[in-house]
Amino acid sequence: DTEVTQTPKHLVMGMTNKKSLKCEQHMGHRAMYWYKQKAKKPPELMFVYSYEKLSINESVPSRFSPECPNSSLLNLHLHALQPEDSALYLCASSPWDSITDTQYFGPGTRLTVL
Amino acid sequence: GESVGLHLPTLSVQEGDNSIINCAYSNSASDYFIWYKQESGKGPQFIIDIRSNMDKRQGQRVTVLLNKTVKHLSLQIAATQPGDSAVYFCAENRGAAGNKLTFGGGTRVLVKP
Repeated sequence: DTEVTQTPKHLVMGMTNKKSLKCEQHMGHRAMYWYKQKAKKPPELMFVYSYEKLSINESVPSRFSPECPNSSLLNLHLHALQPEDSALYLCASSPWDSITDTQYFGPGTRLTVL
Repeated sequence: GESVGLHLPTLSVQEGDNSIINCAYSNSASDYFIWYKQESGKGPQFIIDIRSNMDKRQGQRVTVLLNKTVKHLSLQIAATQPGDSAVYFCAENRGAAGNKLTFGGGTRVLVKP
């Protein structure tokens, strides 16, 4: 299995809702990432988990809460989001074992906040 | 500040011609670079990578060239096909495993039949 999967593919939520995005990989990678991508812009890093521990938080607002239950799974819990949080949320994974640590991306979750 | 950027936002190419996408970077400490292809509605797809101890690397129909003297990276696509239409991003990794990946602004490639 050489892919990163994400669910749901699309999500529409109100500003008072609580929802979660899910990401899964079975490549044995030890690092997983969340990115946010706005239209016509490059992906922006949000969080990095290595060996199931949060190693980087790019000053992301607390309404985004990541969770890494095990080395294959990564969640992003959403609460009290704003309309400007609407974006494509990408998950990625990488081996975390060499200088050439290539990240592989999932298809993303298209999030719309009303 | 340090950045990875692209010279051309949109590139129109005739089917069958070669495409060249350019990228400039400013961090001389960067030692690993990746090109990604992103089709509409999809996540970025790894195309090819190169370490700073190399000048050139070839894949299937793609070649990446690295000029460390002028901090320039390019992606060449041979015999461009309609399926090559996408946005292409260069990305910079500062070397250690798991370092932050810094993306350039992206170039859209449109292949004309």
